[in-house]
Amino acid sequence: NAGVTQTPKFQVLKTGQSMTLQCAQDMNHNSMYWYRQDPGMGLRLIYYSASEGTTDKGEVPNGYNVSRLNKREFSLRLESAAPSQTSVYFCASSVTGQSYEQYFGPGTRLTVT
Amino acid sequence: AQSVTQLGSHVSVSEGALVLLRCNYSSSVPPYLFWYVQYPNQGLQLLLKYTSAATLVKGINGFEAEFKKSETSFHLTKPSAHMSDAAEYFCAGRGVGGGSNYKLTFGKGTLLTVNP
Repeated sequence: NAGVTQTPKFQVLKTGQSMTLQCAQDMNHNSMYWYRQDPGMGLRLIYYSASEGTTDKGEVPNGYNVSRLNKREFSLRLESAAPSQTSVYFCASSVTGQSYEQYFGPGTRLTVT
Repeated sequence: AQSVTQLGSHVSVSEGALVLLRCNYSSSVPPYLFWYVQYPNQGLQLLLKYTSAATLVKGINGFEAEFKKSETSFHLTKPSAHMSDAAEYFCAGRGVGGGSNYKLTFGKGTLLTVNP
């Protein structure tokens, strides 16, 4: 099992450019999540998908959109990148249910200039 | 609303010394609590989790944590630090119920440095 995979690993964008971050999991999990990690801020939830076909906003959704393409894949799109979106982005997945832990991908380091 | 607070953004210990990383939570109901570790340039890895089965939880790499409802705490400990324990540690919690309570709330993290 590869677990949770993310592409790309690194990306540099100019202000105003768009891009999509890809995430896939092979653990048959129903729930998937996108986080951003900034120094001293911990992880903040951007969007999540409790099950295929549903998505909900997290703590910091502005400037992002998501698509739950199928049970395996959950993508994050930046339509018009801003320097404030410079961050490390993590995708995670879990079995649906409060007691279940989330499994994290290796992250995408995004720089917006 | 539930929040998770980690006391101390940076903890430094000597190799062989006790590791104590503090986490307090606020929740109107008993939560599910987790400790994750993040090594440099990697994703987060689960160390251990509390799901109400036992108040003392043992995890990987010799770590353990004790859930204390009276103190609303879930501190992480290891009796003897190794150099390989140097990493950032995150406490996280999730409340009970459906819908948005499936989300994890993370603390801001504690960077553990181990000195030789």
